[in-house]
Parts: sequence; C-alpha cells; structure tokens
Amino acid sequence: DAGVTQSPTHLIKTRGQQVTLRCSPKSGHDTVSWYQQALGQGPQFIFQYYEEEERQRGNFPDRFSGHQFPNYSSELNVNALLLGDSALYLCASSLFDRTQNTIYFGEGSWLTVV
Amino acid sequence: QKEVEQDPGPLSVPEGAIVSLNCTYSNSAFQYFMWYRQYSRKGPELLMYTYSSGNKEDGRFTAQVDKSSKYISLFIRDSQPSDSATYLCAMRGVLAAGNKLTFGGGTRVLVKP
Repeated sequence: DAGVTQSPTHLIKTRGQQVTLRCSPKSGHDTVSWYQQALGQGPQFIFQYYEEEERQRGNFPDRFSGHQFPNYSSELNVNALLLGDSALYLCASSLFDRTQNTIYFGEGSWLTVV
Repeated sequence: QKEVEQDPGPLSVPEGAIVSLNCTYSNSAFQYFMWYRQYSRKGPELLMYTYSSGNKEDGRFTAQVDKSSKYISLFIRDSQPSDSATYLCAMRGVLAAGNKLTFGGGTRVLVKP
C-alpha cells in the first residue's frame, strides 16, 4: 500500500520564477492538504482540496494556488517566488469522511529560492 | 500569540530515560490532538492520536490531554537513540470544521547512548 508520494524531492528556483509541486495521496484517501514548513518551525496549513475544489485555505497569498485531479492527486503552484518561500512543502492525505481522522504526510519537497 | 505553543528544546536525555514533551494551546475549539515525529529532512510521522481529554498508551508512548488546562503531553519511556528527532504536536477542531491541523513549533529531542 503506497503511502503519500511527493515530487520532486528537491528543487532550486530563482526569485520571480514559478514552481509546481505534485502529490499522490495514500491509496483510498480522497482529501489532500498542503503545508509549508520553514526551517526550525512547525508546518503551516496552506489549503485543502476535496472533490477537486479548494475547501479550506490558510493565511497564504494568492500566489499560492492548487489543483486536485479526478484521481485525487494534487498540485501546488507558487508564482512570483520570493526568498521567503524557501521551505519544505508537505502534502497531507486523509479521508473526508467524518468518521476518519488519521492524516498522513509525505516526505515533502524541499524548495530553495535563490 | 501563537495558537499552539511548544518548547523548541533541544531536550537532551540519556538512553533509557523518560522523555516528557508538552504543548499548550489557546483555542478551546480544538478536539483532536496528535503527536508527530519528524526525523531530519523527512516528513512527519503520526505517533499518537487522541480525542478530547484523557490518556492513551501505545507501547512506550503515552499521550495525555487536559482540555480544562489546554495542555497536552507525550511521554516516551525507555528512550532509545532512535527516538532522537523533532516531535510536533498538532490539533484540530471538530470534523465539520475540516481537516486543517494547527501545529506547535516542534521540540528537538536528543537521546544520548
């Protein structure tokens, strides 16, 4: 049973560029959330997708956008990259079903903006 | 003030000692409480999950929740060098409010052989 998979693992971008990160949720899960974790800090919620729609959003600017596909996989897009966007980006997978609570994380994508 | 506060550590203990970790929070709507372990440059791994107040034990790990004090704890018995990691507390409201987790800043733990 594959867990949450993310790609790419590491990437380096230049300030002002755009980046796309990808996530495949754990088998059987239908909800994907994205988190940003700066070095030495806890993860911060960016947004959540279910049924191909953004359901919740954290305190992040519109430069951060996402998409969920019919197979439940998801992409995180960040435009006009800033140096402060350098962080570990984590994908979290779960079930939207109200009886389920377990949330699993992928290994993350390390983004460095130079 | 952050919604969830966690001592950043580092917390250094000898092998075999009990590790005691805690978080305080301010949002009374939080109902579900989790502890994640995160090794360096890896994603968080779910260790313990509890609902509302009470204790939960799983092997060497015990999680405690005191909602009246807005305080949660994680105890690791017979600590091993492999327990050296950053421990993150996380919490969320009722299911109807969505899956958003609010994390503490994490506590670095070092277990010395």
